[in-house]
Amino acid sequence: DIQMTQSPSSLSASVGDRVTITCRASQYISIYVNWYQQKPGKAPNLLIYAASSLQSGVPSRFSGGGSGTDFTLTVDSLQPDDFAAYYCQQTYSTPWTFGPGTKVEIK
Amino acid sequence: EVQLVESGGGLVQPGGSLRLSCAASGFTFSSHWMHWVRQAPGKGLVWVSRLNTDGTRTTYADSVEGRFTISRDNAKNTLYLQMSSLRADDTAVYYCARDALESRSFDLWGRGTLVTVSS
Repeated sequence: DIQMTQSPSSLSASVGDRVTITCRASQYISIYVNWYQQKPGKAPNLLIYAASSLQSGVPSRFSGGGSGTDFTLTVDSLQPDDFAAYYCQQTYSTPWTFGPGTKVEIK
Repeated sequence: EVQLVESGGGLVQPGGSLRLSCAASGFTFSSHWMHWVRQAPGKGLVWVSRLNTDGTRTTYADSVEGRFTISRDNAKNTLYLQMSSLRADDTAVYYCARDALESRSFDLWGRGTLVTVSS
């Protein structure tokens, strides 16, 4: 199975900050990485697919990058609604594994 | 409205069985592969199973292979997950999710249904 790791596991940031979360795959996965946001008690919400494509309806302050084994999710100018958990997911090969998540908290 | 609504969760004893349902509406259900994903309390997301559009191709996580069965009824726009030989570590919120056409991502999720395995 492909293992996904994320760093950091949590971070504290202020409104307006630029935040970057890193995701690393245990083997080559091309661009088959997606990013999800999840708020407490809610279902995940797709933000980025295929490493860098913005899902329809998602604010443009979210962006994704990377290929191969290393990927990033960046939030420019963090907004109050962005404080949540973020998960990467690989869909290169089954089982389609998720990273352990990064919790973004208010500083 | 485009949505997925899960049902069927509840409290079940170890070794018991449960069937989850996921009702789809507002889109062409039969055109999408579908998935189940679970999340244990306070933990991360774990992919469980997927099913192709006509219900003939299934894939499972090793942890549920042989115990869970995914299926669908396209006439009823409903996805199912039959769970048997349940264990305490199957306790989780179970989400159904729609596979986005052409992008291998989950673009629509239900609210989830909680399964608790305990004596």
